[in-house]
Amino acid sequence: AQSVTQLDSQVPVFEEAPVELRCNYSSSVSVYLFWYVQYPNQGLQLLLKYLSGSTLDKGINGFEAEFNKSQTSFHLRKPSVHISDTAEYFCAVSEVQGAQKLVFGQGTRLTINP
Amino acid sequence: DAGVIQSPRHEVTEMGQEVTLRCKPISGHNSLFWYRQTMMRGLELLIYFNNNVPIDDSGMPEDRFSAKMPNASFSTLKIQPSEPRDSAVYFCASSLTGGGRETQYFGPGTRLLVL
Repeated sequence: AQSVTQLDSQVPVFEEAPVELRCNYSSSVSVYLFWYVQYPNQGLQLLLKYLSGSTLDKGINGFEAEFNKSQTSFHLRKPSVHISDTAEYFCAVSEVQGAQKLVFGQGTRLTINP
Repeated sequence: DAGVIQSPRHEVTEMGQEVTLRCKPISGHNSLFWYRQTMMRGLELLIYFNNNVPIDDSGMPEDRFSAKMPNASFSTLKIQPSEPRDSAVYFCASSLTGGGRETQYFGPGTRLLVL
């Protein structure tokens, strides 16, 4: 079974500052890794994914995430945030082989202050 | 593509009533997932289908919940009878599995309130 831990439930940041949202996972098998974003009262939108290859994956809206296999982490970063980045961010994993279901972390609420 | 379509977007009902949530996946996708989101439990998978066949329903809370996928373009999640603790946002997602195309695309969700 897999589990995902998002270490911060809330992250307040000033506009144009850098941000890192932390995600650690646990799995006995190889996994795919995902970050989804949920804007208020909306569904989840894929931000980026890691399937294989490079450890640094670039997504939409200037976000990027770094996969670290030894630390079983997949932290999300953005060098300069905007007010429009205010949302909830979810880290998720799914098995490479077998079940395709996503296991989500509890989410991190990112609040951008002017 | 229109994306995953869910209906209704909002549902308010009274305890004991039957509730049916509907989902139309993205055309060509072969997997469909139902998730529930609550403050207490976060996002949790209820059931998923592959090629219209239920593969894993271990997340379905109890017998009051049932899901069907009669064809590749339609699925329902039914709660009968509904209870206040079923109040949540229910998301449907679809994907094309295999060959590294495992991204799940989510619908806008159905916000259910059971009084």
